[in-house]
Amino acid sequence: GESVGLHLPTLSVQEGDNSIINCAYSNSASDYFIWYKQESGKGPQFIIDIRSNMDKRQGQRVTVLLNKTVKHLSLQIAATQPGDSAVYFCAEPRDSWGKLQFGAGTQVVVTP
Amino acid sequence: EADIYQTPRYLVIGTGKKITLECSQTMGHDKMYWYQQDPGMELHLIHYSYGVNSTEKGDLSSESTVSRIRTEHFPLTLESARPSHTSQYLCASKDRDHEQYFGPGTRLTVT
Repeated sequence: GESVGLHLPTLSVQEGDNSIINCAYSNSASDYFIWYKQESGKGPQFIIDIRSNMDKRQGQRVTVLLNKTVKHLSLQIAATQPGDSAVYFCAEPRDSWGKLQFGAGTQVVVTP
Repeated sequence: EADIYQTPRYLVIGTGKKITLECSQTMGHDKMYWYQQDPGMELHLIHYSYGVNSTEKGDLSSESTVSRIRTEHFPLTLESARPSHTSQYLCASKDRDHEQYFGPGTRLTVT
């Protein structure tokens, strides 16, 4: 069925600080999770993914943590920069054919 | 960077007009998707395709239709545009990995 639209929560971060973006997922059987970044006026861009048999995965300035006990995912951005201002979505697979279920998204605003 | 393209990027059109939003990818991906996204809101899947001659409706009811005659091309058509169709339309494609690659989107305004 159709879902009700939700306005995005906003995280305001000072430049240079670390950001933590949280996401709750619904399907305990999901075997991977993905974080996307969407800048204003652009399509979502892949940041990092994590398989369900991992607790932590690090990329360049980003770390994703997975807590399967409470079905919680987080994205940590180190030393947040103005270019990190965007909306961040987590996503999990819906079926074996590649459809994704996107979370509501979090707007990150980096202040000088 | 993903090779997936959408045209036009911006479109302002009057009520009742027929429009086609183009989406093309040069990666040879079988799976393609159309999402609708209002500003500051979630992505809603409106159509998807698993390959040539395969099209399915997504979660969000949409008056648009799609076709998949060629692997690389997945156009979306609105037969009669209405103000309620005003939104951003995002196209994506996927290969065997789990990442979906998104195009830049088409921002549609129906007056």
